Amino acid sequence: DAGITQSPRHKVTETGTPVTLRCHQTENHRYMYWYRQDPGHGLRLIHYSYGVKDTDKGEVSDGYSVSRSKTEDFLLTLESATSSQTSVYFCALKRGDGYYEQYFGPGTRLTVT
Amino acid sequence: QKEVEQDPGPLSVPEGAIVSLNCTYSNSAFQYFMWYRQYSRKGPELLMYTYSSGNKEDGRFTAQVDKSSKYISLFIRDSQPSDSATYLCAMNVRDNYGQNFVFGPGTRLSVLP
Repeated sequence: DAGITQSPRHKVTETGTPVTLRCHQTENHRYMYWYRQDPGHGLRLIHYSYGVKDTDKGEVSDGYSVSRSKTEDFLLTLESATSSQTSVYFCALKRGDGYYEQYFGPGTRLTVT
Repeated sequence: QKEVEQDPGPLSVPEGAIVSLNCTYSNSAFQYFMWYRQYSRKGPELLMYTYSSGNKEDGRFTAQVDKSSKYISLFIRDSQPSDSATYLCAMNVRDNYGQNFVFGPGTRLSVLP
């Protein structure tokens, strides 16, 4: 258990509304990630962070933004939710330089109607 | 061709059987190999990781890596109903940011009592 929590765990929202998902860690690790998991596509990287205010895009970043103002929190925002963003979102972290495995949170199940 | 291929399953075995789960990959830059277990509606849980070719054992689980063949396996001995889950292989290159983490699509395993 890498001390990762995600909130909310479930959310239903309407098309066009902004949505923010939160990832919180208790162990002060530098690297954090947001993935989405969809049938037929597996896990895909949306954005990642390598420190406070240091973020970069992943494979499927269109329509998403992130912020990291504190080490322990990594926020994912869907600026204007669309039905194609219905998915399960996972936050992950890596323990530091020289480590290559990632640890995942419990996930947020998002439905956009 | 996808970067990481994995037998999709589903795979059903009787309790006590030996299970073999396999992944092949195409990128010779991958150096670090992981196996995750994901129960339904849960986050991926890191099961094993290895940074080198050869075998690594942990209880009933053995991870095997053959970098020359670009082939990795996870063996489960004396399989239990509690092993029923989706198993994801994952791999990474030698980079600190972790943005090149790649997952296989997963194999769903059912162990029947």
